[in-house]
Amino acid sequence: DSGVTQTPKHLITATGQRVTLRCSPRSGDLSVYWYQQSLDQGLQFLIQYYNGEERAKGNILERFSAQQFPDLHSELNLSSLELGDSALYFCASSAGTPAGNTIYFGEGSWLTVV
Amino acid sequence: GQNIDQPTEMTATEGAIVQINCTYQTSGFNGLFWYQQHAGEAPTFLSYNVLDGLEEKGRFSSFLSRSKGYSYLLLKELQMKDSASYLCAVRGDSNYQLIWGAGTKLIIKP
Repeated sequence: DSGVTQTPKHLITATGQRVTLRCSPRSGDLSVYWYQQSLDQGLQFLIQYYNGEERAKGNILERFSAQQFPDLHSELNLSSLELGDSALYFCASSAGTPAGNTIYFGEGSWLTVV
Repeated sequence: GQNIDQPTEMTATEGAIVQINCTYQTSGFNGLFWYQQHAGEAPTFLSYNVLDGLEEKGRFSSFLSRSKGYSYLLLKELQMKDSASYLCAVRGDSNYQLIWGAGTKLIIKP
């Protein structure tokens, strides 16, 4: 158990819909990352937050948005869903400092768009 | 640009030794990570190298040469459960971002 909690574990929704994925980082970690992994593909970095502020943005679509709340949990919002958005979405966290820079992953949220 | 290269797939025999290579070209270097990922599961942290040399952790060892932009993960006494993808990731510059390789799928045969 990495200590990173993601909900829901599985989600099936229709095209055009909107979903929210939730993540609670490890206790004490200030940095949260979101990754997308399509079937048999590598990890695609979406976005990173540090202590409530956006720190870096990767290949995140305009239909997707995220935020980190004062209690450090984070949400990833996916809207106008398309079939190609079906993937495993991982949240990860780290202390966000040079001494604590290892990233730990949650178990992921499986999203299926039908 | 920034790039990380790993072999796409490797096959090895149970009980043997396998070395998975990773070469990188990044703007800056602040550490290299290896993760293991079983299909459909989360990546799990294996090792971290920031200085040149070999880091040993049980059956797994990781080596780094910063001057060559090169690392390898060495797995000894292979077990069937080691069948997984192995991801190499480099923290290039100072904003703590990781650049990920596409992963090496390791197949262990009896």
